[in-house]
Amino acid sequence: DVKVTQSSRYLVKRTGEKVFLECVQDMDHENMFWYRQDPGLGLRLIYFSYDVKMKEKGDIPEGYSVSREKKERFSLILESASTNQTSMYLCASSFWGGGLTDTQYFGPGTRLTVL
Amino acid sequence: EDQVTQSPEALRLQEGESSSLNCSYTVSGLRGLFWYRQDPGKGPEFLFTLYSAGEEKEKERLKATLTKKESFLHITAPKPEDSATYLCAVQGNTGFQKLVFGTGTRLLVSP
Repeated sequence: DVKVTQSSRYLVKRTGEKVFLECVQDMDHENMFWYRQDPGLGLRLIYFSYDVKMKEKGDIPEGYSVSREKKERFSLILESASTNQTSMYLCASSFWGGGLTDTQYFGPGTRLTVL
Repeated sequence: EDQVTQSPEALRLQEGESSSLNCSYTVSGLRGLFWYRQDPGKGPEFLFTLYSAGEEKEKERLKATLTKKESFLHITAPKPEDSATYLCAVQGNTGFQKLVFGTGTRLLVSP
């Protein structure tokens, strides 16, 4: 069974704080993804990575950065948290699939509140 | 631009009352259509992948079908534990494994 874990289920931070969200997968997947989910907007891709130290911007990268130093671990960083970054953050992973289609498996999510 | 529209937004069924959820999509070169189930406060759980029109997949009380413009998730004789939000997503041939999600259908099955 694929297992994707996220460091926190719930997080409360203050405006301006630097926030780290961590994701770990145990299936030796090459690809890892960070999404945010907001009511009425669905899931939107923030960043993804197809290899260690490689990263690509998704649809809404502004205000975020990522780090992938090990294959199994993908971190999302909010450099200076703002209230509009209050959201559910979801990590996913998948096999390389030759760059084509492969199923993404999701973690349990981190609900971040920025006050 | 790839787009996914799910309907209805919410659906209430009695236990045993079969129904279907719709996922309409526009995509440039469909690589895959995915169905996920999401319980409140949790991450999406993978259900099915469909690759080409005419394909069908089944799992317990769920059956997913695909045409060139839409996918249906048929729920036969649902139980209260089937209550969840069902998400549809497509992957086209633009953008590396990028999934475009619909906003989901919230299903409530009453005993």
